[in-house]
Amino acid sequence: KQEVTQIPAALSVPEGENLVLNCSFTDSAIYNLQWFRQDPGKGLTSLLLIQSSQREQTSGRLNASLDKSSGRSTLYIAASQPGDSATYLCAVSSGYSTLTFGKGTMLLVSP
Amino acid sequence: GAVVSQHPSWVICKSGTSVKIECRSLDFQATTMFWYRQFPKQSLMLMATSNEGSKATYEQGVEKDKFLINHASLTLSTLTVTSAHPEDSSFYICSARYRDRNTGELFFGEGSRLTVL
Repeated sequence: KQEVTQIPAALSVPEGENLVLNCSFTDSAIYNLQWFRQDPGKGLTSLLLIQSSQREQTSGRLNASLDKSSGRSTLYIAASQPGDSATYLCAVSSGYSTLTFGKGTMLLVSP
Repeated sequence: GAVVSQHPSWVICKSGTSVKIECRSLDFQATTMFWYRQFPKQSLMLMATSNEGSKATYEQGVEKDKFLINHASLTLSTLTVTSAHPEDSSFYICSARYRDRNTGELFFGEGSRLTVL
């Protein structure tokens, strides 16, 4: 059974810092990996999708990497802003099916 | 594109009543929709997979008679919580996959918060 772990569970940084969120998964036979953002009481916003054949994806200040063999992914956020404060969820798909989610990293960027 | 809408966004009901939550893909067709449940400070737990025109597939431990799912069209799936009790209070989120894409990317609704008194 696929298990997804995210470290750290919470992170507080001052504005402007670059930061890295970590995600690990136990079964490397994945179809793809997605990073989401969730604001309090809201749904999920898809940030980046990495197919199993890809090593990284970039969108603006966000960069996600994937090392399938080691079961790891990182989300890099450059020049963090207070508006980046949210919970970031990592999810892996082990087939053309559903996602297994991590518990998320709660990020707080202070002005 | 790829907008998924849920309604209502929040609902309060009395114990014993039934509540229906709608999930719509606004600008695309979705043959498959998924229903998740999220408890405070916890991750999303898949409840069931809904396929257009067929019965939903429920995850282990999810009561299909308690959580009725209907996927009547390529743009609409509904979740009905029957005879709701306080322990059913939770945040319910749906997601949908593009009919004609094979990337596997899922798009999520805004969620529906259910409070059962």
